[in-house]
Amino acid sequence: NAGVTQTPKFRVLKTGQSMTLLCAQDMNHEYMYWYRQDPGMGLRLIHYSVGEGTTAKGEVPDGYNVSRLKKQNFLLGLESAAPSQTSVYFCASGDSYLSGANVLTFGAGSRLTVL
Amino acid sequence: AQKVTQAQTEISVVEKEDVTLDCVYETRDTTYYLFWYKQPPSGELVFLIRRNSFDEQNEISGRYSWNFQKSTSSFNFTITASQVVDSAVYFCALSERLSGGYNKLIFGAGTRLAVHP
Repeated sequence: NAGVTQTPKFRVLKTGQSMTLLCAQDMNHEYMYWYRQDPGMGLRLIHYSVGEGTTAKGEVPDGYNVSRLKKQNFLLGLESAAPSQTSVYFCASGDSYLSGANVLTFGAGSRLTVL
Repeated sequence: AQKVTQAQTEISVVEKEDVTLDCVYETRDTTYYLFWYKQPPSGELVFLIRRNSFDEQNEISGRYSWNFQKSTSSFNFTITASQVVDSAVYFCALSERLSGGYNKLIFGAGTRLAVHP
């Protein structure tokens, strides 16, 4: 079982460049999430999706866009990268247990550096 | 506001010592869930436990135990007889209810545990 797969694992961008992080899950989960992890700040939610074709903003959505065209995929886009977006990005998915207090399965993370 | 505080940034112990990781939370929900996740050096977060707000019984799983106290809004995690393989960053998390009946997780800043031989 692959679980949650994130690509790419590492990327270096220059300020102003754009890129897309891809998250794929094979567990037929309804819920998918994008978090960013920064030192001393834990994980902060960027965007999330409660089903195919739906997306919503999390705590730190500015500078990011997302799409969930297929149930198994959740894409995170940076239209114009900034150094403040240097971080480790985690995708997670979860089933719809008890109205969403679900156990999350995380991907291995994508380390993004913006110069 | 919903909040999770892990006051211990880093803890260093010698193998076989017991260690407790503290977690204090704030929530306005009457029903909520608390979680612990482990992030080993490989980077991927691994689920350890989920506890709902109605269940204050302590949980034990091998060398791991959890103490949930609603009166002090705490959900502490103890590792007994620590091992080098326990070295990781540990995150406490709280479910926050969203509109439409969905939830999201609010994470604490994490506690880095180093277990030395």
